Amino acid sequence: LAKTTQPPSMEAYEGQEVNVSCSHTNIATSEYIYWYRQVPHQGPQFIIQGYKDYVVNEVASLFISADRKLSTLSLPWVSLRDAAVYYCIVTDRTGGLSGKLTFGEGTQVTVIS
Amino acid sequence: GGIITQTPKFLIGQEGQKLTLKCQQNFNHDTMYWYRQDSGKGLRLIYYSITENDLQKGDLSEGYDASREKKSSFSLTVTSAQKNEMAVFLCASSIGLANSDYTFGSGTRLLVI
Repeated sequence: LAKTTQPPSMEAYEGQEVNVSCSHTNIATSEYIYWYRQVPHQGPQFIIQGYKDYVVNEVASLFISADRKLSTLSLPWVSLRDAAVYYCIVTDRTGGLSGKLTFGEGTQVTVIS
Repeated sequence: GGIITQTPKFLIGQEGQKLTLKCQQNFNHDTMYWYRQDSGKGLRLIYYSITENDLQKGDLSEGYDASREKKSSFSLTVTSAQKNEMAVFLCASSIGLANSDYTFGSGTRLLVI
């Protein structure tokens, strides 16, 4: 059973805000939510992490629903450089194999100029 | 800032050949990882290492060996390349086992003829 569910693809015009959703209905109390993105010919790059409520950094913001079953990554004013596959990952921080990052197929975000 | 370097960037091998991929990081990170990514798919964990001389199997370890002789380097060996195999192998490192902010290399692209 997949830990997370994301839309396979999204499109946005340059300058728009993009919101990528992620469902994690079975998230455990010990688990955190991580977002990575991967551009072609590169490894994934860490964007943001959160446990509850709202987190913001210089790249993106992350909203987590009150029951923690849904999170939304928000990218303001996207540019062509933001075109990438975005991965939502849920994992605990207690170590062991269960704490390793598992990357699903992610959401392919296409930016239109 | 640090860097994580994978060599070679491209690797063409023959069926049945033993192939070795190398990864070096200068972040002084304790934990290192090897992932495999098939075209259009997510990443699957092959091996990880908590510290020098430690090896832990991931979900996809069969057909691979790994070696962590120094803290800064982590090697992966494909023990017998499969004909027509094509994948990208990604190395990553993190500060510690419970830290999920990974830094990835750019990958080694493998093609077996």
